[in-house]
Amino acid sequence: GENVEQHPSTLSVQEGDSAVIKCTYSDSASNYFPWYKQELGKRPQLIIDIRSNVGEKKDQRIAVTLNKTAKHFSLHITETQPEDSAVYFCAAEGQAGTALIFGKGTTLSVSS
Amino acid sequence: KAGVTQTPRYLIKTRGQQVTLSCSPISGHRSVSWYQQTPGQGLQFLFEYFSETQRNKGNFPGRFSGRQFSNSRSEMNVSTLELGDSALYLCASSEGQGEETQYFGPGTRLLVL
Repeated sequence: GENVEQHPSTLSVQEGDSAVIKCTYSDSASNYFPWYKQELGKRPQLIIDIRSNVGEKKDQRIAVTLNKTAKHFSLHITETQPEDSAVYFCAAEGQAGTALIFGKGTTLSVSS
Repeated sequence: KAGVTQTPRYLIKTRGQQVTLSCSPISGHRSVSWYQQTPGQGLQFLFEYFSETQRNKGNFPGRFSGRQFSNSRSEMNVSTLELGDSALYLCASSEGQGEETQYFGPGTRLLVL
């Protein structure tokens, strides 16, 4: 089955810096790669996703890149703000109808 | 539309007991997935139900089971509770067609003593 590795497990940056979180997956048939943000005591919420027919997707300060050959994808946050502090999870889903498998999460701390 | 709801929100049980958790998906969603969240282990996939059938299953022992009703509400059951079952149990719903957003509930925090 699918396995997703996520690095780093913790990341501390200064406000205004960029943050990058990387994930690798094992199932070459995976086609869908969402990223979720979970603030302390709250439920995970989707912040951006990408499908296998696209190499990059951007939404304001957030971007995701996908390298299907290497089987890895990354989340990029620019101009970080204290409210970006949260746990970020990457995930991968194989063919439609298969399970969504999550990485173990990255705790991002943005200090002002 | 109302979001995903879970009941109860908090639960304390003792070893050996069993527990049933409930999840009501967003109206119109036919898929419900369950995850166990513990510190350092992230979101571990338990199982997914679609149209009353278990469509996918994670790597958990048989003590963990679930079901889905005709109105798409889902329950999960854990029998013979162990201390290690203490966790936040999250359910998520989606339309069920694949490659789509999963919407999470607030979770049920289970403490096993």
